[in-house]
Amino acid sequence: DVKVTQSSRYLVKRTGEKVFLECVQDMDHENMFWYRQDPGLGLRLIYFSYDVKMKEKGDIPEGYSVSREKKERFSLILESASTNQTSMYLCASSSPPGGSYTDTQYFGPGTRLTVL
Amino acid sequence: DQQVKQNSPSLSVQEGRISILNCDYTNSMFDYFLWYKKYPAEGPTFLISISSIKDKNEDGRFTVFLNKSAKHLSLHIVPSQPGDSAVYFCAASAEGGSEKLVFGKGTKLTVNP
Repeated sequence: DVKVTQSSRYLVKRTGEKVFLECVQDMDHENMFWYRQDPGLGLRLIYFSYDVKMKEKGDIPEGYSVSREKKERFSLILESASTNQTSMYLCASSSPPGGSYTDTQYFGPGTRLTVL
Repeated sequence: DQQVKQNSPSLSVQEGRISILNCDYTNSMFDYFLWYKKYPAEGPTFLISISSIKDKNEDGRFTVFLNKSAKHLSLHIVPSQPGDSAVYFCAASAEGGSEKLVFGKGTKLTVNP
């Protein structure tokens, strides 16, 4: 069964702290993604990675960085947390398209981060 | 600029009736479309998808219709059940797969018993 896990379900941090959000997938997927979900704004892509040690900026990368040292693990880093980074953070993974149009991204349960 | 639009933030339907969720897109390069369902405090789960070579795809109670000329797709749920109450996200890709998805803002569906 497909599984994407995230290190914490709920996290409370203070402004200025460095925050690490971890994501692990057990499906041997090449692609991994970090999104944030905010009410009325849907899912917005922060960063994604097509392979180990590769990363690409998504739509809202400012204030974030990522690390992918191993294929199964993709970390999101908030260098200096701010209150406007309070959000639900979702990790996802997928395989490269196989041409059969049956691909999907598999999501983890999310981390609700509150920055005080 | 919003490439995938779900113009109805919420929808309320009676149990047993049809739920129709709509999605419009602007990028004519999109060729693969997906619907996800999300319960509170959980990650989105894949529901159904459709490629641009089709205009309809069915999976049990869920059917997705694609109108390429209108750049419009819809998700029909028949019959609706209280357990279908969730936020539904429409997503689109221009790469024939799920490598880079663009999501709509979501529609919250409430199915009343």
